[in-house]
Amino acid sequence: EDQVTQSPEALRLQEGESSSLNCSYTVSGLRGLFWYRQDPGKGPEFLFTLYSAGEEKEKERLKATLTKKESFLHITAPKPEDSATYLCAVTGTASKLTFGTGTRLQVTL
Amino acid sequence: DTEVTQTPKHLVMGMTNKKSLKCEQHMGHRAMYWYKQKAKKPPELMFVYSYEKLSINESVPSRFSPECPNSSLLNLHLHALQPEDSALYLCASSHEIRDREQYFGPGTRLTVT
Repeated sequence: EDQVTQSPEALRLQEGESSSLNCSYTVSGLRGLFWYRQDPGKGPEFLFTLYSAGEEKEKERLKATLTKKESFLHITAPKPEDSATYLCAVTGTASKLTFGTGTRLQVTL
Repeated sequence: DTEVTQTPKHLVMGMTNKKSLKCEQHMGHRAMYWYKQKAKKPPELMFVYSYEKLSINESVPSRFSPECPNSSLLNLHLHALQPEDSALYLCASSHEIRDREQYFGPGTRLTVT
């Protein structure tokens, strides 16, 4: 069974204080690892797809990286508007998205 | 355009009511999904349609009945729900059932009284 574990559960940063979110996974035949951002009461917003170890993707202040066992979402100089829950998910041979429980990020002034 | 739309945004229904949730996408995606999400939990897969045929049913109770009238539309028919069915119901779509990222709609907040 595919499994995804995210840490930390919650993270509070000051504006400009860079940090990383972790996503550890076990999956049968990785087909893709996905990062989503979710604001309260709204649907997840797609951020990145990573397919193979060593791959990196960037978007504004966010950078996602992938190894054979984990993925990191690096947030550089975050702003209050980056506050959200960040979800990691994987798809394997079962062709279903398996989500982690997310990291709730709060960025304060 | 990566938009998935859902109606209604909010729905309150009694346990004896029948209601439907609607989802629409115009991205040419051939896979569509229903998820249920409780507070502070990740989305939980309910159903998957691929090329308008039901591909996956995650042992969902029969009081939830999905329907895919065409490649752009997905419905979820609700009947005799329980208060514990109150949740955010999310629709998503992807190019194909395998490999590709899924795009989510804004969700329908359902309250069962």
